[in-house]
Amino acid sequence: EVQLSESGGGLAQPGGSLRLSCAASGFTFSTYAMSWVRQAPGKGLEWVSTLSGSGSTTYYGDSVKGRVTISRDNSKNTVYLQMNSLRVEDTAVYYCAKVREVATIHPFDNWGQGTLVTVSS
Amino acid sequence: DIQMTQSPSTLSASVGDRVTITCRASQYISNWLAWYQQKPGRAPKILIYKASTLESGVPSRFSGSGSGTEFTLTISSLQPDDFATYYCQQYNTYWTFGQGTKVEIK
Repeated sequence: EVQLSESGGGLAQPGGSLRLSCAASGFTFSTYAMSWVRQAPGKGLEWVSTLSGSGSTTYYGDSVKGRVTISRDNSKNTVYLQMNSLRVEDTAVYYCAKVREVATIHPFDNWGQGTLVTVSS
Repeated sequence: DIQMTQSPSTLSASVGDRVTITCRASQYISNWLAWYQQKPGRAPKILIYKASTLESGVPSRFSGSGSGTEFTLTISSLQPDDFATYYCQQYNTYWTFGQGTKVEIK
């Protein structure tokens, strides 16, 4: 059974940083791209970033480009999202998600439970 | 960037009703479209991918159709467990979600 578990959320000040982690199990982690998707309170889903299985190719949404970095450690079955220069509008639940197929650009078939990031002074 | 527009934003329906949600892409995306269901406080769940392929374990009352720029999600007979918010997602060029359609009890 695929399991994804996010951690690292919490309260951060505007301009601050946070690093989110997502521990994965139940599948061959290094084979699949992994993504982050966020959802602001009461709002819809917004794709944030995706990283290929090898870690060689990254994709970022326009609203976070230049401020976040996605990375992975395939030896630890973990994907990370380093978030810098945080803004109030980054406040959201951040979900980690597995891409459905081996090729990178596919939908997301498994999701974690989410971790809440609150940016406030 | 590809924009995805869903309609309606909210839909009121009764158990047993046939429900249809529409999703339009701002440019051609072939059939690279998925549908998700999300309940309050829960992570989204994939229902359909490649516009019309049902994900394993998803009830057959859910179906998807369309290609190019216009797509639909249909629930043939709405069940109590189906009251939720539904999102379309294009994955032709990166990923973009629609704004969501909330299906509520009439």
